[in-house]
Amino acid sequence: AQKITQTQPGMFVQEKEAVTLDCTYDTSDPSYGLFWYKQPSSGEMIFLIYQGSYDQQNATEGRYSLNFQKARKSANLVISASQLGDSAMYFCAIGGGFKTIFGAGTRLFVKA
Amino acid sequence: GEEVAQTPKHLVRGEGQKAKLYCAPIKGHSYVFWYQQVLKNEFKFLISFQNENVFDETGMPKERFSAKCLPNSPCSLEIQATKLEDSAVYFCASSQSRAASNYGYTFGSGTRLTVV
Repeated sequence: AQKITQTQPGMFVQEKEAVTLDCTYDTSDPSYGLFWYKQPSSGEMIFLIYQGSYDQQNATEGRYSLNFQKARKSANLVISASQLGDSAMYFCAIGGGFKTIFGAGTRLFVKA
Repeated sequence: GEEVAQTPKHLVRGEGQKAKLYCAPIKGHSYVFWYQQVLKNEFKFLISFQNENVFDETGMPKERFSAKCLPNSPCSLEIQATKLEDSAVYFCASSQSRAASNYGYTFGSGTRLTVV
């Protein structure tokens, strides 16, 4: 069985600063993918970034980077130069086999 | 099309009534997934399809929930005899691949089901 844990219900960050959202996971699958999604207040789910379990390098997509530490089973999301539009719920997810399992989410508030 | 189309956007049902939700995946996406999100909390996996075949249904409360993906028709999720606890936003997502790939899922905008 797969499990995702996000321990930060809410986070605050000052505009233009960097923020790290924590995510740990558990799985018995040898091959899996780790994902981050953003859900603004409007409700849609937006795919941000992906990290494969065999990828040697941390994934980056623009201002988003994934700090992947396989031995510690962590996949933290780093958002650099935060913008007001980054205020949203952020979900970490693990995919393997036939489905993707999501964590409980972290609500990020960006302060002007 | 390039978006996952979910209909209706809102659905209100009296307790005990039937609810049917629809999802048209992106053309070319073989995989369809249904999730339930209660009060903007975590997503509960319900069921996945590869084309018209059920891939994984471990999340489905089978006594009242059923789902289909038939050729040339939108996929559907049906809830018989709705309960108050079924009130949630139901998201459909489609993908080119199963689960562990760099494409991620493309989500629809969701159907908000309110059971009164």
